[in-house]
Amino acid sequence: AQSVSQHNHHVILSEAASLELGCNYSYGGTVNLFWYVQYPGQHLQLLLKYFSGDPLVKGIKGFEAEFIKSKFSFNLRKPSVQWSDTAEYFCALGGGGADGLTFGKGTHLIIQP
Amino acid sequence: SQTIHQWPATLVQPVGSPLSLECTVEGTSNPNLYWYRQAAGRGLQLLFYSVGIGQISSEVPQNLSASRPQDRQFILSSKKLLLSDSGFYLCASDTGELFFGEGSRLTVL
Repeated sequence: AQSVSQHNHHVILSEAASLELGCNYSYGGTVNLFWYVQYPGQHLQLLLKYFSGDPLVKGIKGFEAEFIKSKFSFNLRKPSVQWSDTAEYFCALGGGGADGLTFGKGTHLIIQP
Repeated sequence: SQTIHQWPATLVQPVGSPLSLECTVEGTSNPNLYWYRQAAGRGLQLLFYSVGIGQISSEVPQNLSASRPQDRQFILSSKKLLLSDSGFYLCASDTGELFFGEGSRLTVL
């Protein structure tokens, strides 16, 4: 069975701080990995995704994530956060089939001005 | 571009009452459709998925059911709601990338 673990449920940072949100997965096959974001009052949006190729993927709004196969990790990073990055962030794993994604429990990020 | 409509956006129902949440998709055809539930502190849980009309797969046994009467319509139902059914329900469409609707917040009292 596949699973996704997000280590931090709540993260509080000041503006301009660097961000790294952890995501580890468990799955024996080829993985597709995603980070989704849900801003307050809005629906889930895709930040970035990894299917294959370069393990460092860049997404919208300055976010990036690195797939490290040996560590079963797909951590999300941003060098300098902004107040508008306050949101809930979800890491997700897909096996490439039609049976949907497995999501982590989410990390609630609060950026203090 | 793809758009997913969900309604109602907010619903308050008593225990034991029926439920019907509707999801329609625009801008694509023959999508894979999904119902997820987002409960506080529990992330997103996949409830049902459908690869075509009348084809429903259930991921979690429960008192909810789903139907897909048309290609771009996906309905989540219950005959008798439980308190534990409270949550935020998200419909999603997959055409290579998951797109989510804005969700339906259900409170069962």
